[in-house]
Amino acid sequence: QLQLQESGPGLVKPSETLSLTCTVSGGSIINNDYYWGWIRQPPGKGLEWIGSIYYSGFTYYNASLKSRVTLSVDTSKNQFSLQLTSVTAADTAVYYCARDTRIIVTVAASPEPRGSGHFHHWGQGTRVTVSS
Amino acid sequence: QSVLTQPPSASGTPGQRGTISCSGSSSNIGSYPVNWYQLFPGTAPKLLIYSNSQRPSGVPDRFSGSKSGTSASLVISGLQSEDEAEYYCAAWDDSLDGVLFGGGTKLTVL
Repeated sequence: QLQLQESGPGLVKPSETLSLTCTVSGGSIINNDYYWGWIRQPPGKGLEWIGSIYYSGFTYYNASLKSRVTLSVDTSKNQFSLQLTSVTAADTAVYYCARDTRIIVTVAASPEPRGSGHFHHWGQGTRVTVSS
Repeated sequence: QSVLTQPPSASGTPGQRGTISCSGSSSNIGSYPVNWYQLFPGTAPKLLIYSNSQRPSGVPDRFSGSKSGTSASLVISGLQSEDEAEYYCAAWDDSLDGVLFGGGTKLTVL
C-alpha cells in the first residue's frame, strides 16, 4: 500500500522560506507512470496545485507561484521536497503531497508527458502557518 | 482565462440524485480527462472519479462521472448524509501548462 507523509515546520516567518519533504513508502518514487506533486488548501479556500516533479528531476510549476517554488527529488531516500521562498500570510495553508498519473499533453504544440491531475494517493497533509 | 467553474454550493435530500457540474474550455476539459475529489474537513482529499468516469476501488457505485465537450458532471445517485462534503474537479490545462482545480462545491444533504 503506497503511503506518502509530509514533514516540515508548521510555522514559518514572513519573507522566509517554507521547506517541506514528502516521504514515499510502499513503492518506489522511480516509476515511469507517475509524477509527484504538491497541492495546498488555504483556510476557507479551494485546492491549488503548486507543482510536480518526475523522478528524473523534471519539474513544472503553477505559473502563479513559479518564481518562488522549487521542487527537488532524492531517489535514494524515496523523497521529494518543496521550497517556497519569500512567504507571506497568503501562503498559510494545509500542504499535501500526492502521486499523479502520467499522460501525454500538448505543450507548445508538441506532445509532452505530464501529470494529469489524477492524484490517487495523498499524504495526510501538513498545516503551515506564516506568522511572525 | 483558464478556469474550471463549479457551483459554490449544492444540496439535496437523502435518497435524491445530486449533480455537481464542472465547466471548462477546450484547453482543459475539452482535451483531457477529468478527475473528481471528495474532501471532508481535516482530512486529505479522496479521489472519487478519474478519467472522466472511472471509479477507484472502494468508491461506491452510486458515484458516477461523465464528460461532454468542455463540461463534466459528478452524479451521486441516492444521496446519503455522509456525502455531505466538498467536491472538486481537476484536469490538465494546456494554456497554463499545469493542473487546474475547480473552485469546489459544498454539498449539503438536508
